[in-house]
Order: sequence, then structure tokens, then C-alpha cells
Amino acid sequence: TQLLEQSPQFLSIQEGENLTVYCNSSSVFSSLQWYRQEPGEGPVLLVTVVTGGEVKKLKRLTFQFGDARKDSSLHITAAQPGDTGLYLCAGIDSNSGYALNFGKGTSLLVTP
Amino acid sequence: DAGVIQSPRHEVTEMGQEVTLRCKPISGHNSLFWYRQTMMRGLELLIYFNNNVPIDDSGMPEDRFSAKMPNASFSTLKIQPSEPRDSAVYFCASSFTRNQPQHFGDGTRLSIL
Repeated sequence: TQLLEQSPQFLSIQEGENLTVYCNSSSVFSSLQWYRQEPGEGPVLLVTVVTGGEVKKLKRLTFQFGDARKDSSLHITAAQPGDTGLYLCAGIDSNSGYALNFGKGTSLLVTP
Repeated sequence: DAGVIQSPRHEVTEMGQEVTLRCKPISGHNSLFWYRQTMMRGLELLIYFNNNVPIDDSGMPEDRFSAKMPNASFSTLKIQPSEPRDSAVYFCASSFTRNQPQHFGDGTRLSIL
């Protein structure tokens, strides 16, 4: 199993602040996905990054895939209470081509 | 459009009892996945079906766990006998093909007393 480490594990910030969460591995992934999960619900896919060095933007969220395709980051600008949730990264297993290896997530709380 | 539907949403039972979790994937999706989520281990893949056939069950923890997919619109995950360490949230996900984005249900929160 290709392991993914996410940091920080918990993050509590005030509305309007910026933040970055990280997803790191010693393994190379063919692609990497970011999900957001809210309490009592399943994870919802935010973005898939495929190319090393790729940067994707989704409104105030910026996702970056490392050049070596071993790590990724998620940056949120001017966080809002609606951004509160568990952010999960998942790498596509190179052997199977379909299995998702999930990190344990970063739990984000944005207070007004 | 209806997403992945799981039932029940919550299940509380005593150890030793049989537990059956149910999943209806999105219509037209030929890949179905069962996951388990705990604080300690995060989200783990238990089993993957393609066109109703189990392809990869390497994540199933023990023989007490079994999964079936009798048709394209229904799958079950059964635990018999259940143990307290099986307490977790169990998710079902489906995708159009195995390489396409997976859509998750809202999970079944299982508590074994």
C-alpha cells in the first residue's frame, strides 16, 4: 500500500485567513485527488491532478501536484465558515490503476 | 439524479449478531467499492466489484466479512459474527468505470456493543 501523510491533522482558523494543507508520500502516484467530507456525509471529489507541477484552481481553492508526483498541497484563500470540513487526499494506486489510497485527512474549522 | 444510496444510516447491535449493510449504486455505473472509515486508520478499501463480479477483496479484514453484488443495482456487505472492533463508518462508492471519479454514499455508522 502506498501511504499518504496529511498535515496538519487539525486546523482552526478565523474567517478571512489563508491556509495550506499538505499531502506527502514516498511513492509516486499516477494521479492524486482531493475530497471534502462534511459530518454525516460521504467524501465529495473536489479535483484530480495528473501532471507533475500541475496547478488547478477552484474558486478560492488552489491545488498543486508536486513535480515528482509524490506530494500535493491545497491552499485556501480568505477561508469562510462554509469551508469547514475534513479534507482528504487520495492517490491512485500505481499497481491497480483504480484503488484509492487515502490520507487520514485534515480537519478544518473556520469560525466567523 | 439520485446518488449512491446506503442503508441503514445507523446501526447499533450487540457483538455476535449478524450485520448487513446495503448499497444501491448510481444507475449505469459498473464499478462498486466498499470502504471503511475509522479515526485510527482513515478510509480503507475493503472490496471492489466490476460488472457485479468481485475483482479485489484484499482489503476485507477477515472471513467474518463478506460482500455480494447479485445485480447491477444492489450490493451488500455482511459481518457475521460482529465484534466491537468492527465499529466504524462504512461507505459504498460507485463509478462509471473503474478509472472514473468515484461517487460516495453517505455511509452507514455501525456501532457494535
